[in-house]
Amino acid sequence: EAGVTQFPSHSVIEKGQTVTLRCDPISGHDNLYWYRRVMGKEIKFLLHFVKESKQDESGMPNNRFLAERTGGTYSTLKVQPAELEDSGVYFCASSHRRALNEKLFFGSGTQLSVL
Amino acid sequence: DQQVKQNSPSLSVQEGRISILNCDYTNSMFDYFLWYKKYPAEGPTFLISISSIKDKNEDGRFTVFLNKSAKHLSLHIVPSQPGDSAVYFCAASLSNAGGTSYGKLTFGQGTILTVHP
Repeated sequence: EAGVTQFPSHSVIEKGQTVTLRCDPISGHDNLYWYRRVMGKEIKFLLHFVKESKQDESGMPNNRFLAERTGGTYSTLKVQPAELEDSGVYFCASSHRRALNEKLFFGSGTQLSVL
Repeated sequence: DQQVKQNSPSLSVQEGRISILNCDYTNSMFDYFLWYKKYPAEGPTFLISISSIKDKNEDGRFTVFLNKSAKHLSLHIVPSQPGDSAVYFCAASLSNAGGTSYGKLTFGQGTILTVHP
């Protein structure tokens, strides 16, 4: 079974540019989450999809961030325009509907550097 | 306001000895706690968990202790092995009415564990 896949693994962009991160969850997982770790600090929750619906987006930093999950399969997270403080590692995770936390599987992350 | 804190950025231990990683939380509503391990260039992977109705959970070399009155938990690794060298994250969650939660975890900053041969 393939794990959670994230593209790209690294992205270096200039301030003001747009970047789109992609996450392919484990097949059949209705729950999809985005998390972010900034500068070696804690990993912070951004938002949660159940299929194509946003269940909880309370962790999204501001309206420069837009997450979508059309069709309830893969998800994209767009940052537009990117700012320096957006640099960090963006993790995606997925799980079955009503799965316990132990069954939350993370991808390897996208390292975003905004210069 | 950081609700889960790991105050030790790093820990160095000799192979075969015990590793103790600590975690404190402030939100008394948290009722489920997990430890994740993360290797470089990989995502966090689940290690062990504990419900707030317990004070200890053991899985092989790994034991998690929970002290609710102190809002403190710890992870013990005995004996420590070089392959245990990684970043360890403590995480907490709020259960929903059904007794499960949906992956919204509050993490600490992580502790880098280095186990020397």
